[in-house]
Amino acid sequence: GAVVSQHPSRVICKSGTSVKIECRSLDFQATTMFWYRQFPKQSLMLMATSNEGSKATYEQGVEKDKFLINHASLTLSTLTVTSAHPEDSSFYICSASRGFTYNEQFFGPGTRLTVL
Amino acid sequence: GENVEQHPSTLSVQEGDSAVIKCTYSDSASNYFPWYKQELGKRPQLIIDIRSNVGEKKDQRIAVTLNKTAKHFSLHITETQPEDSAVYFCAATDPSSSNTGKLIFGQGTTLQVKP
Repeated sequence: GAVVSQHPSRVICKSGTSVKIECRSLDFQATTMFWYRQFPKQSLMLMATSNEGSKATYEQGVEKDKFLINHASLTLSTLTVTSAHPEDSSFYICSASRGFTYNEQFFGPGTRLTVL
Repeated sequence: GENVEQHPSTLSVQEGDSAVIKCTYSDSASNYFPWYKQELGKRPQLIIDIRSNVGEKKDQRIAVTLNKTAKHFSLHITETQPEDSAVYFCAATDPSSSNTGKLIFGQGTTLQVKP
């Protein structure tokens, strides 16, 4: 149990375009989903926390208008990188949690974004 | 907010030896401490976790200890095998995040197990 999928696994896009990444909890209801960014050989940097049906909470320094997060259901959250630029190239990983009383976060396989 | 420090950043051991990775945290109200293993290009996988009401937890070759007074916790891997080679991350809950379960991650430790 506790499987999280992420799509696409890799995406290459031109500068200025927008890219949508989907995160799904396949066998449980995810009250909370988290979006992370990871640069090579670095730790996981939390970008935002999203709860189903409410606005995401962004970490300091993360532009909410650039990284749009939608958590429309208990099994799906999306991250849209708007007007992507080469510096947005990174590994984006989502995680899902059943709720704070459970604590455990289950990670998706990640999306490698390359902006040309 | 919570801050997590992890060390060492790299660790090289011979197969069969033990490996220990240590983390310290700043907020005494943190109550959940997971350890993740991440292989290159893959997702982080939860390998063991511990809650603040427990001092030690073991799962086969892996164990975690928690010292709440000193605010540090450690991962112990015994009888290491080459397949244990990966990056390991510790984490702690951020008590200031209004019960969202938000985790603060350490910087990571690259473990290399030499055959």
